[in-house]
Amino acid sequence: KAGVTQTPRYLIKTRGQQVTLSCSPISGHRSVSWYQQTPGQGLQFLFEYFSETQRNKGNFPGRFSGRQFSNSRSEMNVSTLELGDSALYLCASSPGRILNTEAFFGQGTRLTVV
Amino acid sequence: AQSVTQLDSQVPVFEEAPVELRCNYSSSVSVYLFWYVQYPNQGLQLLLKYLSGSTLVESINGFEAEFNKSQTSFHLRKPSVHISDTAEYFCVLASGNTPLVFGKGTRLSVIA
Repeated sequence: KAGVTQTPRYLIKTRGQQVTLSCSPISGHRSVSWYQQTPGQGLQFLFEYFSETQRNKGNFPGRFSGRQFSNSRSEMNVSTLELGDSALYLCASSPGRILNTEAFFGQGTRLTVV
Repeated sequence: AQSVTQLDSQVPVFEEAPVELRCNYSSSVSVYLFWYVQYPNQGLQLLLKYLSGSTLVESINGFEAEFNKSQTSFHLRKPSVHISDTAEYFCVLASGNTPLVFGKGTRLSVIA
């Protein structure tokens, strides 16, 4: 069974640009969550999607948005990039809501904003 | 509000020595607890989990953790570490319909 796939693995963008990251969950998983990981803040929750609906949203500005498609694949978009958006963005999937089940993580997309 | 505190940001230990990575949590409701491991340039992998039942849970590679409700702790232990255990370890809490709550992580460095 294929794992969680995140593309691209690495990105370099300029301040002010926008970026779209993609996450393909494990087949059959309906829940996708996104996290931002930085050395200073650790792992911070961005969004959770379940069956194409956003169920939870973290404390991030409106420049951060996401969506989930009918095949459970998810994208997140960051507009008007800032230097502080440089981070490892991780996606996790699970069969149902991530409660008492294991969350399976992708390898992440490392975004560098210059 | 729920929170997870990992008491040590870095733990150096010699190979074959025992190690304990400490985790305390705060929650007013029932919780599920997890330990995840992250190797360099990788995502997070589940190491072990406590859902209910026996308070002592084990992983396939020799780690164990004990859920202690009175102490609100979920410390991770291994009696003898290997070089390959060098990684960052995250204690994670799940509860209700709220997102996962992550500790700040503990970087375990195993010294030959």
